[in-house]
Amino acid sequence: DVKVTQSSRYLVKRTGEKVFLECVQDMDHENMFWYRQDPGLGLRLIYFSYDVKMKEKGDIPEGYSVSREKKERFSLILESASTNQTSMYLCASSLGGLNQPQHFGDGTRLSIL
Amino acid sequence: LAKTTQPISMDSYEGQEVNITCSHNNIATNDYITWYQQFPSQGPRFIIQGYKTKVTNEVASLFIPADRKSSTLSLPRVSLSDTAVYYCLVGNTGTASKLTFGTGTRLQVTL
Repeated sequence: DVKVTQSSRYLVKRTGEKVFLECVQDMDHENMFWYRQDPGLGLRLIYFSYDVKMKEKGDIPEGYSVSREKKERFSLILESASTNQTSMYLCASSLGGLNQPQHFGDGTRLSIL
Repeated sequence: LAKTTQPISMDSYEGQEVNITCSHNNIATNDYITWYQQFPSQGPRFIIQGYKTKVTNEVASLFIPADRKSSTLSLPRVSLSDTAVYYCLVGNTGTASKLTFGTGTRLQVTL
C-alpha cells in the first residue's frame, strides 16, 4: 500500500513565522501535490511537482512556496505565516502521466495565531 | 477551469442505493472524473475513476453521460460505515494545474 506521511498532525505557529510542512511518500511516485482544505471550499491545489526540482503553481499559490530536492519528499513553505493560512493541509502523490489516482496523507492542521 | 458542483449533503438509510451527482459543465477533452471518499481526520481515499459511459468496481459505479457535463457516483446498499464526505475531481494529473475538486457531499447513513 502507498503511504504518504505528513510530518505533523497538528501545528501551531505565530504570525510572521516561516513554516515548513513536510511530506514523504514511499512508492516512488513522480507526482506530488499540496492542497489546503477549508469548510465550504473543498480542496484547493496550492502547488504540485511532477519531478525532482520541478514545480508548478496550482489555484492558490500566493503566500506559499515548495521544495522538492528528492523524489520522495515534497515540502510546503509558508514564507511569512498569516492568520488566513490557518487551515488543513493535505499532501498527495501519484504516478506520472494522465488519470492517475492520488494517494493522500492524513493532513496537517495548521493554526496561525 | 472546470467548475464542479455537488449537493452539500444527503441522507440515506442503511441498505439503500445512494446516487451522488456532480455537475461539471466546462469539462475539457482530456479531463477524467475521479471520486474520493473522506472520513474525519483522514485524507481522501480513491473510490473510482472514469472518462465516459459506465465504470464499475467492487465498491461503486460511476455513470457518465455522453456529453460528460455531469457524473453520478452510485453506492449500492450503503452501510453505516459509508458515512463520509464524497468529492468529485475533474481534470488529469498530466495537467495538474487544472485539477478541480468539488466542495464535497456529506453523506449520512442511518439505521
